[in-house]
Amino acid sequence: AQSVTQLGSHVSVSEGALVLLRCNYSSSVPPYLFWYVQYPNQGLQLLLKYTTGATLVKGINGFEAEFKKSETSFHLTKPSAHMSDAAEYFCAVSVSTASKLTFGTGTRLQVTL
Amino acid sequence: KAGVTQTPRYLIKTRGQQVTLSCSPISGHRSVSWYQQTPGQGLQFLFEYFSETQRNKGNFPGRFSGRQFSNSRSEMNVSTLELGDSALYLCASSPAGLSRASSTVFGQGTRLTVV
Repeated sequence: AQSVTQLGSHVSVSEGALVLLRCNYSSSVPPYLFWYVQYPNQGLQLLLKYTTGATLVKGINGFEAEFKKSETSFHLTKPSAHMSDAAEYFCAVSVSTASKLTFGTGTRLQVTL
Repeated sequence: KAGVTQTPRYLIKTRGQQVTLSCSPISGHRSVSWYQQTPGQGLQFLFEYFSETQRNKGNFPGRFSGRQFSNSRSEMNVSTLELGDSALYLCASSPAGLSRASSTVFGQGTRLTVV
C-alpha cells in the first residue's frame, strides 16, 4: 500500500518569495507521483507528475518538483510566488498499473503582499 | 477536446434521501474513478469503473454505489443520506492501458450538502 505525508497544512509566503511545499511518500513499488492544485469549489488541476526518467520535473505556472528516492520525497517549489498561487496543493501517489490515487492531506498556500 | 463533465455542480438533499451524481469522461477514456473530499477526511477514493465493471473499491459503506454505461459515462448513487455525506464528489477520467494514473483528468466536482 502507498501513502503520502504533506508537512504543514498551511504555508504563508510573501509575494516574490520562494515557495516550498513538502511531500514524502511511502510505496512498496516504484511510484508515480503527482502534485495537484485546487482553487475554491473547483476540481483538481494537475501541476506536474513524475513517472519515470528525469527526476526534476517541470510543471505549469513555474512550479517544479524533484523526485528523491533516497529521501522518499517529492517537494514542490516555485522560485517566486505570485498572488494567483494562493490555493490548496495536494501531493498524490499511484502505482503504474492502476488509476487509484492516494492523496496527502493538502497544504493551503497563502501569498501575502 | 471537452473535459470531464460532472452534473449537477451543486445539490442539496435531506437526510434519508438518496442522490445520483453523473460524470461524463473525456472522449476515449474508459476508466472513471470517484473521490469524496471532506474537510475532515480529505480526498478519499470511492471506486473505479472500467468497461462497465467495478475494478477497485475504497473503504466506504454499501450505501455508496456506482455504475458505468457502455459509453463510459458513470453515475454514483448514495442512498439513505447522512449529514456526514456532505462533501465535494470528484470524478476522474483515465484512458485504458498502462500508466492510467499519469493521464488522469478531474472534473469540477459536485458539491453535495445534506441537511
